Amino acid sequence: NAGVTQTPKFQVLKTGQSMTLQCAQDMNHNSMYWYRQDPGMGLRLIYYSASEGTTDKGEVPNGYNVSRLNKREFSLRLESAAPSQTSVYFCASSEELATSKGAKNIQYFGAGTRLSVL
Amino acid sequence: GDSVTQMEGPVTLSEEAFLTINCTYTATGYPSLFWYVQYPGEGLQLLLKATKADDKGSNKGFEATYRKETTSFHLEKGSVQVSDSAVYFCALSDRLTNAGKSTFGDGTTLTVKP
Repeated sequence: NAGVTQTPKFQVLKTGQSMTLQCAQDMNHNSMYWYRQDPGMGLRLIYYSASEGTTDKGEVPNGYNVSRLNKREFSLRLESAAPSQTSVYFCASSEELATSKGAKNIQYFGAGTRLSVL
Repeated sequence: GDSVTQMEGPVTLSEEAFLTINCTYTATGYPSLFWYVQYPGEGLQLLLKATKADDKGSNKGFEATYRKETTSFHLEKGSVQVSDSAVYFCALSDRLTNAGKSTFGDGTTLTVKP
């Protein structure tokens, strides 16, 4: 019962390097999200994908790009990493965005990727 | 826009003490309200939810009541255990605004001592 799987779990980058964070869900969910978690700032939405084939900016999209590769996978790319991107990154999925009633907008989270940019 | 304000932590309690973590919200639509819990080294997981005014969500001894008149969704537990030590996030999801995306509070860290 995997749920949401993120890779890698830990990563250290030098300023200017690029990398892609991978996320996959096996719950047949339509919507997927990328958040970053910083001390004292809670969770901030970077990008989200309401359904396969669509992506939209969240609260803090600058410096990131995303790809909804298929219904299962949603990747986050840092093209040129900066120290300000040191954070814990969480991927999440939900059956739908909260545009419908009931429990379909409950989010399921991966275990996180701890990224340090030196 | 939508926002969630949580009681600042950290909160430290002795085992079997009563817990309250305050949460108030601002929303222009008709939000669903959630409490998520994050155990050390893990992602967030849903603890309980309520979708309309006066609904009470409950799970694992935790409860929260959706109070529209006070725009609040306070988390309570009558007798906490060491295993309840975690970070608790209040969140809302507004169907009519913000494209239905969830807005999270900053989180409240709870430590329960034996």
